[in-house]
Amino acid sequence: GAGVSQTPSNKVTEKGKYVELRCDPISGHTALYWYRQSLGQGPEFLIYFQGTGAADDSGLPNDRFFAVRPEGSVSTLKIQRTERGDSAVYLCASSLRQGGPETQYFGPGTRLLVL
Amino acid sequence: AQSVTQPDIHITVSEGASLELRCNYSYGATPYLFWYVQSPGQGLQLLLKYFSGDTLVQGIKGFEAEFKRSQSSFNLRKPSVHWSDAAEYFCAVGAMGGNKLVFGAGTILRVKS
Repeated sequence: GAGVSQTPSNKVTEKGKYVELRCDPISGHTALYWYRQSLGQGPEFLIYFQGTGAADDSGLPNDRFFAVRPEGSVSTLKIQRTERGDSAVYLCASSLRQGGPETQYFGPGTRLLVL
Repeated sequence: AQSVTQPDIHITVSEGASLELRCNYSYGATPYLFWYVQSPGQGLQLLLKYFSGDTLVQGIKGFEAEFKRSQSSFNLRKPSVHWSDAAEYFCAVGAMGGNKLVFGAGTILRVKS
């Protein structure tokens, strides 16, 4: 498909476990973003990649959260020692990043439930 | 710091009636403004955006929005609502050269027949 894809669509895990969430951006988009959307809230920024490097990770809530984008395309958001409060929808977006204003295109999200 | 306020958590309109969803932002410079729509279990779909120029912008599905700098607002409008418009609508602001969007809490639109 031509859009942003995310896998899995749903993930149920137990408190304390490790999870990985994957994002495949639109082909050719150099910028990639992760957001977290808690129930009843708007998305909140987590981290932004330009190419392979994390250009801004100011939104990561603590050091249990980490994200990588080793080849400048697919990205993985990693959460260690999950807590019930991590339950949310994790959204990925991508943009062309050619300078100037950018439109971010969102994937369908991964719904994470920590029991 | 940027912030977005969507004062209405829920709005219910009759099918065929007009719609206006409110959005107020706080940002010190010229903002980039967006409206996204999210249907249950779906990702965010871009409805329209304002970067510069004409302050009345047209989007998909018959939506439009007007940027009013003096009121720090970017309200979304539609002249005649269809039942398929029922969804949650998010206003977002971005900064020139910035990388993140700041979203409002969303407005849930219900359409009654």
